Amino acid sequence: SQQGEEDPQALSIQEGENATMNCSYKTSINNLQWYRQNSGRGLVHLILIRSNEREKHSGRLRVTLDTSKKSSSLLITASRAADTASYFCATASGGSYIPTFGRGTSLIVHP
Amino acid sequence: DGGITQSPKYLFRKEGQNVTLSCEQNLNHDAMYWYRQDPGQGLRLIYYSQIVNDFQKGDIAEGYSVSREKKESFPLTVTSAQKNPTAFYLCASSIEQLGKNIQYFGAGTRLSVL
Repeated sequence: SQQGEEDPQALSIQEGENATMNCSYKTSINNLQWYRQNSGRGLVHLILIRSNEREKHSGRLRVTLDTSKKSSSLLITASRAADTASYFCATASGGSYIPTFGRGTSLIVHP
Repeated sequence: DGGITQSPKYLFRKEGQNVTLSCEQNLNHDAMYWYRQDPGQGLRLIYYSQIVNDFQKGDIAEGYSVSREKKESFPLTVTSAQKNPTAFYLCASSIEQLGKNIQYFGAGTRLSVL
């Protein structure tokens, strides 16, 4: 069964704007990852945040984790047309570290 | 070039036919995975293998079979028992270290039914 659910399902913005995607999950997690998928391609890992971390940065990406609300957000700052892709959160929980993927947010960045 | 190679990129299956999707990795990863992705959906785990000669069913294993005879290879067979095989199939590999399981994906195989 799917653990994380992304919101919104689709997001359309102009180049230069910030894009924020959210992920909510139901049970306690060990860690949460964000992946990116360009159309018709495989997924690429972006960032992993552990359950005892609150915020991580990687370049223009900022991920936050609020375990009390069981939610995470991915912020892409100063978006570019090349950021157009689907973004998935993936959670690992219990005794398994195999991630369970959500349905994704489709991001379109208009030049 | 290190990575995951899936072939073919496109595959067509006739009714009652078994087809095999190839997945090869040269990352020296112990674990390999097969996922199915339907339009607008997330990834659903079909099978995974954490070591050679051993594999486990995922959430949607019915109608599929796998083998893991070599560390580098994890082929997926879509059998005639899978009545709705049309989907995008993704193979991944990973090393689990310090509680992290970061997955590396191939480019996928798109399977359609004729």
